Amino acid sequence: GDSVTQMEGPVTLSEEAFLTINCTYTATGYPSLFWYVQYPGEGLQLLLKATKADDKGSNKGFEATYRKETTSFHLEKGSVQVSDSAVYFCALSSRTGNQFYFGTGTSLTVIP
Amino acid sequence: DADVTQTPRNRITKTGKRIMLECSQTKGHDRMYWYRQDPGLGLRLIYYSFDVKDINKGEISDGYSVSRQAQAKFSLSLESAIPNQTALYFCATSEAGQPNQPQHFGDGTRLSIL
Repeated sequence: GDSVTQMEGPVTLSEEAFLTINCTYTATGYPSLFWYVQYPGEGLQLLLKATKADDKGSNKGFEATYRKETTSFHLEKGSVQVSDSAVYFCALSSRTGNQFYFGTGTSLTVIP
Repeated sequence: DADVTQTPRNRITKTGKRIMLECSQTKGHDRMYWYRQDPGLGLRLIYYSFDVKDINKGEISDGYSVSRQAQAKFSLSLESAIPNQTALYFCATSEAGQPNQPQHFGDGTRLSIL
């Protein structure tokens, strides 16, 4: 069945460092892919999405490219800030939209 | 006002008690979901509903039940709470049949069972 595997954390970076959080997926057909962010004490918020191969989703300086050939959707940011400290979830929506799958989450801490 | 509202935000109760968590939404979405979040396990689906007359079990439905009272309301019950149901619970919504649309989450209910 469909699934998402993401890099385990926790990840600790210094402010202004480059961030990559790896995410790979297994799916039938062409799923839609998402990154969510969860700040402490809050629910999950959509960060970005991509709905077809080679699409690049971007928001708040974060980017991720839908790579069908490597079944990946890695999250990147060129210069992280303390305010980016949160848990990040990769997710997949099946081609029918009837099923949604989440990775286990990656905790990021950015230190000044 | 939040589009997806969960009540209560926090609850502490004792083993054996019946608990109800409520979720209401103003997004007009047909689909609603209940998840639990545990450290290191990510989100696990408990139940989901694609419309008012539709209820489906998720990955971990044992010990839980749900009621879809209206398009906007979806409640989760723990009939006899046990300590390993201590977790963070989330309600989510999505549009029907739209594979490129995300799920929208409430802020969660932190449930502790002593």
